[in-house]
Amino acid sequence: DAGITQSPRHKVTETGTPVTLRCHQTENHRYMYWYRQDPGHGLRLIHYSYGVKDTDKGEVSDGYSVSRSKTEDFLLTLESATSSQTSVYFCAISEAGTAGNQPQHFGDGTRLSIL
Amino acid sequence: GQQVMQIPQYQHVQEGEDFTTYCNSSTTLSNIQWYKQRPGGHPVFLIQLVKSGEVKKQKRLTFQFGEAKKNSSLHITATQTTDVGTYFCAGRGNQFYFGTGTSLTVIP
Repeated sequence: DAGITQSPRHKVTETGTPVTLRCHQTENHRYMYWYRQDPGHGLRLIHYSYGVKDTDKGEVSDGYSVSRSKTEDFLLTLESATSSQTSVYFCAISEAGTAGNQPQHFGDGTRLSIL
Repeated sequence: GQQVMQIPQYQHVQEGEDFTTYCNSSTTLSNIQWYKQRPGGHPVFLIQLVKSGEVKKQKRLTFQFGEAKKNSSLHITATQTTDVGTYFCAGRGNQFYFGTGTSLTVIP
């Protein structure tokens, strides 16, 4: 498996609190992605990054922000968590190219519950 | 909204039966990728198709990309219990979208 580490793996928090999820890669891949997975919706792209400090919105970006200050780290922040953001969050990476034209390799996911 | 739809959403088969999942896009795709996610696991890349009408095989799995590059299919011959999981297609139109997935259950 690709060297991708997501932290934390599980988190329970309360509505209105800020939450940051971390994705760390050791593959030196250019692209990094954050997805959420919910029953009946498959995987939906939240944000992605195509380089250090270069990010773009995905399909469901409202309520989320991201940052990439180093090639290996991509952070996802929920500024004020809501119950609708309870989900399983996956980080993925891919090599150079354009987003979606290279195979993506996924981390093990973070299960986030917002009460 | 979701631009890549998959059918069926769920499929139960007896071990040894064949299985097919279909992926349909509202827009032309530059490529189609297929992933498998085991229960409790993460998606794992299986294959990518790029050319119109392309067919690729991996052992018992056959992948097709439609002539119009708007649809794709994954066919598994003689399913085994190790085939259990959810199969996702993903493709790039104006954005990159994953399909809604087909959950496959194989009954021994």
